[in-house]
Amino acid sequence: QKEVEQDPGPLSVPEGAIVSLNCTYSNSAFQYFMWYRQYSRKGPELLMYTYSSGNKEDGRFTAQVDKSSKYISLFIRDSQPSDSATYLCATSEKYSSASKIIFGSGTRLSIRP
Amino acid sequence: NAGVTQTPKFQVLKTGQSMTLQCAQDMNHEYMSWYRQDPGMGLRLIHYSVGAGITDQGEVPNGYNVSRSTTEDFPLRLLSAAPSQTSVYFCASRPTWGETQYFGPGTRLLVL
Repeated sequence: QKEVEQDPGPLSVPEGAIVSLNCTYSNSAFQYFMWYRQYSRKGPELLMYTYSSGNKEDGRFTAQVDKSSKYISLFIRDSQPSDSATYLCATSEKYSSASKIIFGSGTRLSIRP
Repeated sequence: NAGVTQTPKFQVLKTGQSMTLQCAQDMNHEYMSWYRQDPGMGLRLIHYSVGAGITDQGEVPNGYNVSRSTTEDFPLRLLSAAPSQTSVYFCASRPTWGETQYFGPGTRLLVL
């Protein structure tokens, strides 16, 4: 079993829709949770970062972590064509660089104009 | 700041050939790592380094070598290329304390 599971999609929604992207993880030691966005033929870039359970909002993006069910989510409100990309969830045990980051396989998202 | 740079952007190799993928960063980050990205597999860690002179294996190290003689550079060597090593390779760096890992633009490798 992979440590982080993510539905690969693809997911296609109309512009303006609310998008929900999800991951599950198996290791209860994970405490730091990240979402990366990767445009086609580019390297991933950090989009959101949360610690432990709870919600974090940044503009149209909300990251949610439920440690009791080992479930992490990213919500995108008022989705735009420029949000079309692959979204990767990631987790780690510790804050420092001594802790490896484990990535999900990524969900490809397409926003239709 | 150039951030994380990788060369070459694209490479075609024949089975059995060797080559070195170059990675450099100008942010004075101690932590550097190499990932490969394959369809449906996400990013898999090959090797990583927590500072000059220190390297360790990741999830899929077989067939790859690394060394870290300076803080800035972290080359990845393919000893004898195999078709299974066809992939997109990303180098990344991260400060000792901080959540952001910075990725390079990637090297697309095709092994025939």
